[in-house]
Amino acid sequence: KAGVTQTPRYLIKTRGQQVTLSCSPISGHRSVSWYQQTPGQGLQFLFEYFSETQRNKGNFPGRFSGRQFSNSRSEMNVSTLELGDSALYLCASSLNLGTNTGELFFGEGSRLTVL
Amino acid sequence: GENVEQHPSTLSVQEGDSAVIKCTYSDSASNYFPWYKQELGKRPQLIIDIRSNVGEKKDQRIAVTLNKTAKHFSLHITETQPEDSAVYFCAAGGGSQGNLIFGKGTKLSVKP
Repeated sequence: KAGVTQTPRYLIKTRGQQVTLSCSPISGHRSVSWYQQTPGQGLQFLFEYFSETQRNKGNFPGRFSGRQFSNSRSEMNVSTLELGDSALYLCASSLNLGTNTGELFFGEGSRLTVL
Repeated sequence: GENVEQHPSTLSVQEGDSAVIKCTYSDSASNYFPWYKQELGKRPQLIIDIRSNVGEKKDQRIAVTLNKTAKHFSLHITETQPEDSAVYFCAAGGGSQGNLIFGKGTKLSVKP
């Protein structure tokens, strides 16, 4: 079974631009969640999607958005990029809703650098 | 909201020694406590988890203990090996926030 796949793996943007990141979950997994990882800050929850609906959202500004498609693939978008958005963005999939009670399978992440 | 504090942020041990990482959480409704290991440049992976109906769980050299009254849980690694070097994240879930809340991580270095 293929693991969680994230694209692109690396990208460089400038302030004010926008970016879209993609995540393909493990086949059969219906829940996708996104995390921002920065040095010293751990994994900060962005949002979770299940059956194309956002089920939970973290404390990030509205510039961060996402969606999930009928095949469970998910995208997240960051508009009007700021220097502080530079981070590793991790996607994780799980079999069912309720990522707080079962194993998360992470992708390798998309490393975003904002100049 | 839920908060998970993790200590220490860095830990250096000699090969063969034990390592202990501690976490505290604030939401008393939390009932699921996983630990993830992230090797350099790799994705986080679940190494062990515990639910609130048990106080301790072991898997070979790794064990996790939970004290619900004090709202803290710990990861214990015995007979550490260089391949145990990684960043370890604790997390708490099942609480009112509906998602896993992670600690900020502990960078463990095992010196040969």
